Amino acid sequence: AQTVTQSQPEMSVQEAETVTLSCTYDTSESDYYLFWYKQPPSRQMILVIRQEAYKQQNATENRFSVNFQKAAKSFSLKISDSQLGDAAMYFCAYFSVQGAQKLVFGQGTRLTINP
Amino acid sequence: DTAVSQTPKYLVTQMGNDKSIKCEQNLGHDTMYWYKQDSKKFLKIMFSYNNKELIINETVPNRFSPKSPDKAHLNLHINSLELGDSAVYFCASSLFRTSGGSTDTQYFGPGTRLTVL
Repeated sequence: AQTVTQSQPEMSVQEAETVTLSCTYDTSESDYYLFWYKQPPSRQMILVIRQEAYKQQNATENRFSVNFQKAAKSFSLKISDSQLGDAAMYFCAYFSVQGAQKLVFGQGTRLTINP
Repeated sequence: DTAVSQTPKYLVTQMGNDKSIKCEQNLGHDTMYWYKQDSKKFLKIMFSYNNKELIINETVPNRFSPKSPDKAHLNLHINSLELGDSAVYFCASSLFRTSGGSTDTQYFGPGTRLTVL
């Protein structure tokens, strides 16, 4: 079974600075998707970014980018120019393309933005 | 323009009661899911349906019964509620890819916070 590990329960960063959230996963599959979801205090789960494992190029969405290292099974999220609205729980998630059609989540990282 | 909606958003009830949570999506998706988020914020799949057919049923007590009247709705009924059922329940939906046989990105509803007293 696939597992996802986020080793940083909490992170903090100064407003306008850059922060990187770590995620590692364990799988024997070669084709899968990886996601970062954000959960602000409102509780809503919001998709931040998505990466297909077959793509070598790292995904980017405005201030959010990932560092996808397939051989190392690592999928970190970089947030540039941090804003107060980025404060939230961030979840890394794995999705098997061929296997069970479900997201497997990491434990989450709580990100605090200091003004 | 709500994409995935859930009702109610908050549910407080006594132990032993039966309750339902409703989910609806207007994204034209054909696959829907229920996830449970516990007090430590850990999220785990409970069920998924594709075109009204159950495709995932994780190790969930029989007291939980999903029902999908059509592909835009997936309801969750819980019998004989227990204290341990207190959690946030999320509905999500996605589109099944006919090529590759996989589902696309999942979009989540706002969650239902269930408190069992």
